[in-house]
Amino acid sequence: GQNIDQPTEMTATEGAIVQINCTYQTSGFNGLFWYQQHAGEAPTFLSYNVLDGLEEKGRFSSFLSRSKGYSYLLLKELQMKDSASYLCAVEDSNYQLIWGAGTKLIIKP
Amino acid sequence: GAVVSQHPSRVICKSGTSVKIECRSLDFQATTMFWYRQFPKKSLMLMATSNEGSKATYEQGVEKDKFLINHASLTLSTLTVTSAHPEDSSFYICSAREAGKEHQPQHFGDGTRLSIL
Repeated sequence: GQNIDQPTEMTATEGAIVQINCTYQTSGFNGLFWYQQHAGEAPTFLSYNVLDGLEEKGRFSSFLSRSKGYSYLLLKELQMKDSASYLCAVEDSNYQLIWGAGTKLIIKP
Repeated sequence: GAVVSQHPSRVICKSGTSVKIECRSLDFQATTMFWYRQFPKKSLMLMATSNEGSKATYEQGVEKDKFLINHASLTLSTLTVTSAHPEDSSFYICSAREAGKEHQPQHFGDGTRLSIL
């Protein structure tokens, strides 16, 4: 079966760095997406990885290792507004998105 | 950038009412649109994939007669919750992918919060 695993909840301090991990087992792989979702709102796109390595976008970076079925989202210089759920999603061989359950990130002052 | 408009944003209605939700891609053509449902503190659950000009593909466990999907044009898909009951109360979100760009991210509407009394 297809499976995406990520921690349910994480807590970090304002100004610090946090890494949210995602492991996956899917039938085929056409890319991995990270989305941010604030409570009561729709997800917004953060990053896309299809090749191994690190993609950096300002305070956010995303890493992928296809051989390990592993990705992480790295958030630097955390701000209170970064408190949200972070969703990992993998595009399978049919270009369908398989979603993780999301990681709720709590930022403390 | 690509924009998806979803309407209405909130619906409160009595049990037995049918509710139609619209999803429009405003500045691109979407051959495929996706309908999701999300319960509080849970992740997105794909309900169905809507394909322009053909029947929608429903996920296992989703009632086709309950959740009617129509994708009549390259910019519009509708989801109708027929004879809604309190257990249908949820956050419904649509997304669209631009035609021929499978590696591009799905663009999400703002969601519709449905409350059935």
